[in-house]
Amino acid sequence: AAGVIQSPRHLIKEKRETATLKCYPIPRHDTVYWYQQGPGQDPQFLISFYEKMQSDKGSIPDRFSAQQFSDYHSELNMSSLELGDSALYFCASSLFRGRDEQFFGPGTRLTVL
Amino acid sequence: GNSVTQMEGPVTLSEEAFLTINCTYTATGYPSLFWYVQYPGEGLQLLLKATKADDKGSNKGFEATYRKETTSFHLEKGSVQVSDSAVYFCALSTTNNNDMRFGAGTRLTVKP
Repeated sequence: AAGVIQSPRHLIKEKRETATLKCYPIPRHDTVYWYQQGPGQDPQFLISFYEKMQSDKGSIPDRFSAQQFSDYHSELNMSSLELGDSALYFCASSLFRGRDEQFFGPGTRLTVL
Repeated sequence: GNSVTQMEGPVTLSEEAFLTINCTYTATGYPSLFWYVQYPGEGLQLLLKATKADDKGSNKGFEATYRKETTSFHLEKGSVQVSDSAVYFCALSTTNNNDMRFGAGTRLTVKP
């Protein structure tokens, strides 16, 4: 069965640089979520999109932005990177926003030097 | 707001021991409850779920029952294996919050 695809899997950036993470949800899933997981931490919700519109916003810094495109893939754009942005970034998708199960991608590990 | 409180780890067990990881929640409305597992270097995988009170989720020998009266969703397994070593996250979602709220995670190590 198709799963959530994330790219790249690993990314190394310098401070103050920009990074773009991509997410391809499971076909026919209408909701995409982004999470940040710091070392030894639980995943923290950043932002979500339902039918290409932003639906909820969590603890996403102003330096980050995201969007969902017409083909339902989503991109998380991160600017002015800081050391503290080093983390595992997960994308998840679901069918029907809200109480339904979310399917997680393998994550993108971002390291900021 | 919605939140999940999870038993702190790490938990170390011998193979074939009984496992319990406690999870309690606070939520407005009627949440769905989940257990996710994260193996080293991998993403989160759904282990089991329950969508209403008294439902029991089960998978791979793991079980958890949605207890509304005690707002709990404890994870249990009768006989753990070395391959069960991972981090386990309790989580909830509701129709009011379009995101998954996770507990802090419990690291389980099973020794032969």
